Amino acid sequence: KAGVTQTPRYLIKTRGQQVTLSCSPISGHRSVSWYQQTPGQGLQFLFEYFSETQRNKGNFPGRFSGRQFSNSRSEMNVSTLELGDSALYLCASSPGTATSTDTQYFGPGTRLTVL
Amino acid sequence: KQEVTQIPAALSVPEGENLVLNCSFTDSAIYNLQWFRQDPGKGLTSLLLIQSSQREQTSGRLNASLDKSSGRSTLYIAASQPGDSATYLCAVTSSSNTGKLIFGQGTTLQVKP
Repeated sequence: KAGVTQTPRYLIKTRGQQVTLSCSPISGHRSVSWYQQTPGQGLQFLFEYFSETQRNKGNFPGRFSGRQFSNSRSEMNVSTLELGDSALYLCASSPGTATSTDTQYFGPGTRLTVL
Repeated sequence: KQEVTQIPAALSVPEGENLVLNCSFTDSAIYNLQWFRQDPGKGLTSLLLIQSSQREQTSGRLNASLDKSSGRSTLYIAASQPGDSATYLCAVTSSSNTGKLIFGQGTTLQVKP
């Protein structure tokens, strides 16, 4: 099976712009979670989608949003970029049945740099 | 609020040594605990997952233990190799209907030839 894929791998934006990141989960996986990783804060949970519905949300401002499509692919959007949004954004997929979770498989990440 | 701590933050050992990485969590009401490995600038690779009802899991040279009541987990690496050099992260899930992982800050391991 193909692993979790994320596009693009690298992105450079300027303050005030918006950005959309994409994640394709492992075939058959229905849960997709997004994380932000920075040297100072480590790995922080952004949100999780399951069957096109946001199931959990972390403590991030409303500028961070996401969605999931019927094929389980997910996108996250960050509007009005700030310098502090520079980070490695990771997505993870799992089978994520409605009542249980399993090992999470991570993609390679998207490195976002905000200038 | 669940908090996960990993000690030490960094560790350097000579090749061949056995070593232990520590992870502690403040709320013992976890669903499972995972250990991950991360190479510089890369994504995470899952190493071991321990359900809350289990005490340990083994995979090759790796053994992870879980003591839920004391809020602790350890990752034991036997006969370390230079290829084991990476950052090791532990993460907990609080319930069965969430994919939300709460991570520790990681332990960066260097194994010297």
